[in-house]
Amino acid sequence: DAGVIQSPRHEVTEMGQEVTLRCKPISGHDYLFWYRQTMMRGLELLIYFNNNVPIDDSGMPEDRFSAKMPNASFSTLKIQPSEPRDSAVYFCASSADRTWGYGYTFGSGTRLTVV
Amino acid sequence: AQKVTQAQTEISVVEKEDVTLDCVYETRDTTYYLFWYKQPPSGELVFLIRRNSFDEQNEISGRYSWNFQKSTSSFNFTITASQVVDSAVYFCALSGIKAAGNKLTFGGGTRVLVKP
Repeated sequence: DAGVIQSPRHEVTEMGQEVTLRCKPISGHDYLFWYRQTMMRGLELLIYFNNNVPIDDSGMPEDRFSAKMPNASFSTLKIQPSEPRDSAVYFCASSADRTWGYGYTFGSGTRLTVV
Repeated sequence: AQKVTQAQTEISVVEKEDVTLDCVYETRDTTYYLFWYKQPPSGELVFLIRRNSFDEQNEISGRYSWNFQKSTSSFNFTITASQVVDSAVYFCALSGIKAAGNKLTFGGGTRVLVKP
């Protein structure tokens, strides 16, 4: 199993530009989570999906952020327009009830820098 | 609301010393899971252990051991005979117990630096 795959690993963009982060969960996992990690706020949940349906997006900071999961093997997190304060590491994670004993499996993260 | 507190932000030890990381949690749930994750300098988050709230047995895995005390809402983690490869940020986390859709609430993390 290739694990959770995120792309790109690093992204540098200018303020005001649109940014799209991508995630491929582990095959067979029916939950997908997007987390953001910053020095100030630590690891915070942005949104999670179950069977491709968004269940809780209360952590999405504002309307500039949107997430989609068009199918079981792909999800995107989009920021439009991006701002310097969006600079962070964004993690995608997936899980399944049958593997919940092992918690989430996290991707390697996307380090976003907005200048 | 759930909350996880890791009071130690950074611990520095010399190789072969033991190091204990504290974790205190708050939850209104009567059953829950507790986790520890490791984040090495490469940045990924690696699962270490999960404990059920109804199982207070301590656990040992190689040089790692965990002490769960429900009475004090603590789930501490000890690395015995630390090695340089143990240098990382360690996160304690809490979740509900029903299903994989339960959200993980993370503590702020403790950075461990093991010097040769």
